[in-house]
Amino acid sequence: NAGVTQTPKFRVLKTGQSMTLLCAQDMNHEYMYWYRQDPGMGLRLIHYSVGEGTTAKGEVPDGYNVSRLKKQNFLLGLESAAPSQTSVYFCASSSAPRGVAGGPYNEQFFGPGTRLTVL
Amino acid sequence: DAKTTQPPSMDCAEGRAANLPCNHSTISGNEYVYWYRQIHSQGPQYIIHGLKNNETNEMASLIITEDRKSSTLILPHATLRDTAVYYCIVSTRSARQLTFGSGTQLTVLP
Repeated sequence: NAGVTQTPKFRVLKTGQSMTLLCAQDMNHEYMYWYRQDPGMGLRLIHYSVGEGTTAKGEVPDGYNVSRLKKQNFLLGLESAAPSQTSVYFCASSSAPRGVAGGPYNEQFFGPGTRLTVL
Repeated sequence: DAKTTQPPSMDCAEGRAANLPCNHSTISGNEYVYWYRQIHSQGPQYIIHGLKNNETNEMASLIITEDRKSSTLILPHATLRDTAVYYCIVSTRSARQLTFGSGTQLTVLP
């Protein structure tokens, strides 16, 4: 049971280049999220998905696109990278809210992060 | 418009209890208090959550005041591995987004 995995772990891009970050989870979670974390700050939500084929914007979506073609995967794309997108990117997943008798509410499981530098 | 206020840093001696405070004076009736921590450069890790009753699990205890305007996370016997940034978050049960503030940097000293 690998949990949440992210590929790649590190990447250096030049301004204007594109790339895709891959997140995979093996916990059969319905919800998946992409966050970014800048130095000394908390995490900020970029996009999220509540199910296969659905995505929605978070707090800081500009400059990013996402896709959720399979339940277990959530892709984050940068079409034209900018130095302002230098950050650590974390993916997370969670189960959908259950009834009162369900498990931990809204517990999100995070991946190890991808450190992206845009020159 | 911060929902929670936490001290930026705290120290604790190894083996002693670490008490991390959080102020959430504008919490609404359907919002839970969640605690996560982030050990250096790793992804955040869920610790505990509560609505109005005190909660305990294998990692920590959560004490919520009766008026729910503040809470305290207690690590009963802190170890060096508990050194991390601790985030207090208020959120509804079905909310998609967890809003992470700056958190409290807890340093456990030998």
